[in-house]
Amino acid sequence: AQTVTQSQPEMSVQEAETVTLSCTYDTSESDYYLFWYKQPPSRQMILVIRQEAYKQQNATENRFSVNFQKAAKSFSLKISDSQLGDAAMYFCASLGASGSRLTFGEGTQLTVNP
Amino acid sequence: GAVVSQHPSWVICKSGTSVKIECRSLDFQATTMFWYRQFPKQSLMLMATSNEGSKATYEQGVEKDKFLINHASLTLSTLTVTSAHPEDSSFYICSARDWGATNEKLFFGSGTQLSVL
Repeated sequence: AQTVTQSQPEMSVQEAETVTLSCTYDTSESDYYLFWYKQPPSRQMILVIRQEAYKQQNATENRFSVNFQKAAKSFSLKISDSQLGDAAMYFCASLGASGSRLTFGEGTQLTVNP
Repeated sequence: GAVVSQHPSWVICKSGTSVKIECRSLDFQATTMFWYRQFPKQSLMLMATSNEGSKATYEQGVEKDKFLINHASLTLSTLTVTSAHPEDSSFYICSARDWGATNEKLFFGSGTQLSVL
């Protein structure tokens, strides 16, 4: 079984500043993947960043990076130099290596203030 | 990059009719596809997992006779909402898993907004 929890329904950040979105998870699988997806008003799901659980190194993608704490089952997303286009709903998700199901958190609505 | 095409983007139908939504993986083979339902300002709720050539696995509480899923080929999965009612109105999204990718990747369709009158 997998559960993903995002405890921040809404977050806001000033343009050019840094913001961190929180995510905790639980899984019964020994090997799994973690993701952050962005859903803008168009509702198209866009992959922001992914992390293989067996890798200790935190994933980074340009302005986006994660803080993966496997023992604590925490997977936070840091957005640096926030831009207006970053405003969206952000979902944390986990996928077991068996590939049976992709489980999403409740989402965090991010607002970027100019 | 890999693309998942989902059609139609939106559909309006009368109560009691059936609606079919298609999800196609373009330029990659998707042995597994996922179907999600999303209500406004809520998360994606997994409805079922579709594996090519076999019966779909439905999540608890999802009526398999209501939401028919067919995954007849490596690039196409369909979701049919049978005898639709207003409470079935929702945003439906499919996702396809690219097994051929060197890294685990999932790609999403653009979604289908279903409105049942």
